[in-house]
Amino acid sequence: DVKVTQSSRYLVKRTGEKVFLECVQDMDHENMFWYRQDPGLGLRLIYFSYDVKMKEKGDIPEGYSVSREKKERFSLILESASTNQTSMYLCASSLAGQAPYQPQHFGDGTRLSIL
Amino acid sequence: KNEVEQSPQNLTAQEGEFITINCSYSVGISALHWLQQHPGGGIVSLFMLSSGKKKHGRLIATINIQEKHSSLHITASHPRDSAVYICAVSPVGGGSQGNLIFGKGTKLSVKP
Repeated sequence: DVKVTQSSRYLVKRTGEKVFLECVQDMDHENMFWYRQDPGLGLRLIYFSYDVKMKEKGDIPEGYSVSREKKERFSLILESASTNQTSMYLCASSLAGQAPYQPQHFGDGTRLSIL
Repeated sequence: KNEVEQSPQNLTAQEGEFITINCSYSVGISALHWLQQHPGGGIVSLFMLSSGKKKHGRLIATINIQEKHSSLHITASHPRDSAVYICAVSPVGGGSQGNLIFGKGTKLSVKP
């Protein structure tokens, strides 16, 4: 079974801090995604990556950056955390071949609170 | 207008009832996905379909490409089915990344 592991289930940080959210997958997937999920808004794509060192902006990249130095690891960085970044963050991965027909495999999510 | 609309937003049912969740979309798609999110956050993929109907246990998913509509049915519902059900589509031209467009989810609560 595919395993997508997010480093923390719950995280509390202060305004202005630099925050790192880590995601690791064990199935050699090419594609990796970071989403945030807010009540009434559903899942929104922040960034995705289709290869090592490659990244593309999603729908809401402002205030975030990402890093993919190894195929299995995709990091989301909040450069200077703000209270409006309090949210549930979900990482996912998928195979590139036949991409539209590949399911995305999700981690358990990180509930981030910025105080 | 959202490209993927789900109805209802919230649904409460009694154990044993037949449940239907609907999803309509406005873009051309390669495939449609149904996902389940339990309290606590983790999301699992239930179905991926591009035509017809799929069945897994008590869950059935159907899609009508011409009408741009899909339904997720749960037969003999059980409290453990309580979760948020999310419809997502792979848009045509979504590229090699397999990007998805998500609905906002339907929160299902099944009472014993």
